[in-house]
Amino acid sequence: AQSVSQHNHHVILSEAASLELGCNYSYGGTVNLFWYVQYPGQHLQLLLKYFSGDPLVKGIKGFEAEFIKSKFSFNLRKPSVQWSDTAEYFCAVVPNSNSGYALNFGKGTSLLVTP
Amino acid sequence: ETGVTQSPTHLIKTRGQQVTLRCSSQSGHNTVSWYQQALGQGPQFIFQYYREEENGRGNFPPRFSGLQFPNYSSELNVNALELDDSALYLCASSLWTSGRGDEQFFGPGTRLTVL
Repeated sequence: AQSVSQHNHHVILSEAASLELGCNYSYGGTVNLFWYVQYPGQHLQLLLKYFSGDPLVKGIKGFEAEFIKSKFSFNLRKPSVQWSDTAEYFCAVVPNSNSGYALNFGKGTSLLVTP
Repeated sequence: ETGVTQSPTHLIKTRGQQVTLRCSSQSGHNTVSWYQQALGQGPQFIFQYYREEENGRGNFPPRFSGLQFPNYSSELNVNALELDDSALYLCASSLWTSGRGDEQFFGPGTRLTVL
């Protein structure tokens, strides 16, 4: 079945450590890619998105992600995390073959940043 | 600019009952999508409405139905509730132009508990 996989379900980092969260998908053809974040008690909000062009995408709050088509991957990175980055992170894919524009989400990665 | 709002915030129902959840889309948006997020999982696409018509549907049974109104607000109806329907129901609005969608903006969700 077509899916979105996030490899790390729980990540614990110290402040200032570097972050990389993995995301792989199994859809063929052209895709649109997203990372959403859910801070404790808040709505899901968009961190960054990739539709086309430069495969290295920069988002809000110092996050970036790299689309590697050959690996079907869209990993999220941040060079130095802060305590305020503690949140749930979701990778999502929209295959362009979709009827409609449904976001297909991974199961999420829970990130805890310790002081 | 007002964001996506959902009502009610929380709801408790018993098996077999019916429920209606409501969503007001963000100003200027014409498309509404509904997602179900079970505990510890990523959101799963239920369906999407554009111009008052269903524009795509996920793998949910027909007892999940919806409506979109001329002001682009939307309802999600679930009949014959089952215990597994207990989840956070998310509404997301977006602007559909030129045959493609864009970033989806999420509401805070309605927490449904089925006893």
